[in-house]
Amino acid sequence: AQSVTQPDIHITVSEGASLELRCNYSYGATPYLFWYVQSPGQGLQLLLKYFSGDTLVQGIKGFEAEFKRSQSSFNLRKPSVHWSDAAEYFCAVAGNQFYFGTGTSLTVIP
Amino acid sequence: DGGITQSPKYLFRKEGQNVTLSCEQNLNHDAMYWYRQDPGQGLRLIYYSQIVNDFQKGDIAEGYSVSREKKESFPLTVTSAQKNPTAFYLCASSIGVLRNTGELFFGEGSRLTVL
Repeated sequence: AQSVTQPDIHITVSEGASLELRCNYSYGATPYLFWYVQSPGQGLQLLLKYFSGDTLVQGIKGFEAEFKRSQSSFNLRKPSVHWSDAAEYFCAVAGNQFYFGTGTSLTVIP
Repeated sequence: DGGITQSPKYLFRKEGQNVTLSCEQNLNHDAMYWYRQDPGQGLRLIYYSQIVNDFQKGDIAEGYSVSREKKESFPLTVTSAQKNPTAFYLCASSIGVLRNTGELFFGEGSRLTVL
């Protein structure tokens, strides 16, 4: 069965520090993987996606993610976090429908 | 600008009442979706439609109904049969079948509160 696991419910980082949000997926075929971001009371915005090819993908707002098939992971990274990055982050895999993780809430300390 | 418009943004309902949430898109997308979001549970699929006049149940369809009479519109009715309807509802669309095109585009959501 397809599924996505985001092990960290909540993460707090200081502004300027690096960030890594974890995502593990379960999918039988080659996965299409996504990271979305959601500000409070808003819809979801696509940060980046992986379909095939280079396993390191670049997204908007300075985010990147690396696909590791051997670890079934698609972790999101940012070298230097800004206060405006505080939001909820969702990892997803696309099969016959989208399967979302439960999200990671990011707090940024000034 | 193209996008997805959901209305109303906030809605209050008394128990026993049906309510309809509107979702309109001008992206010319074939597929449309309704998700429910509850704290700590991520997004759960209620219904989806890949073409006009056709739709399928998602994982939590009980107590909900939809219609797809026009390509641009995919309204969701939360019926009195839905036991716990207070939630944040998100409408989304995609160009076509997800595995071929990949990306979901989201509206800004509607928050329903049952009093």
